[in-house]
Amino acid sequence: DLQMMQSPSSLSASVGDRVTITCRASQGIRNDLSWYQQKPGKAPKCLIYAASTLQSGVPSRFSGSGFGTEFTLTINSLQPEDFATYYCLQHSSYPRIFGQGTKLDIK
Amino acid sequence: QVQLQESGPGLVKPSETLSLTCTVSGDSVTIKGYYWSWIRQTPGKGLEWMGYISYSGSTNYNPSLKSRVTISAETSKNQFSLKMTSVTTEDTAIYYCARDHMIPQSRYFFYAMDVWGQGTTVTVSS
Repeated sequence: DLQMMQSPSSLSASVGDRVTITCRASQGIRNDLSWYQQKPGKAPKCLIYAASTLQSGVPSRFSGSGFGTEFTLTINSLQPEDFATYYCLQHSSYPRIFGQGTKLDIK
Repeated sequence: QVQLQESGPGLVKPSETLSLTCTVSGDSVTIKGYYWSWIRQTPGKGLEWMGYISYSGSTNYNPSLKSRVTISAETSKNQFSLKMTSVTTEDTAIYYCARDHMIPQSRYFFYAMDVWGQGTTVTVSS
């Protein structure tokens, strides 16, 4: 199976910071990748699909990039509501595989 | 607005069958381009995709679970269901249903799990 390696597993940052989370695929997946935000006790929420397309209603401070095997999620000017856990998900093949998650907390 | 709601027992005994239903409102399970999925989450294994039933009734399962999992749909009730046999304590998890949406963009199709249920906790214990 394809593997998704997400890093870092945790990250501390302050309001107003810019943070980057990386997902690496063990084989090329074009841009068949989406990003999710999950807050405690809630279901994941889709932020980005096709590696860089913002889901409707998602603030523009979120952006995604990448193609092939390396992908990044960038959050500019962190807001208090952005502290959560983030996951990538590959859609290139089945079974769908999620990254292990990045917990973003307040420094 | 599309909403998904999981329902089913919160406690299942080891070796028995786990059964969950996802009720879809605001959309139809037969609309082309939707893949109605089950995902579970545990502290140890994170988010695990279990499988889907498509708008046309085709299914696809995670090979790690394939022999134990069946996903079906009852279109008249706009629901889809998960059955997993021979459960063990390792199957204790939060179970989510979600819509995996096939989105046309340029000449390609992309996917996004754009609608999720709130999740339901299932504990496997005697």
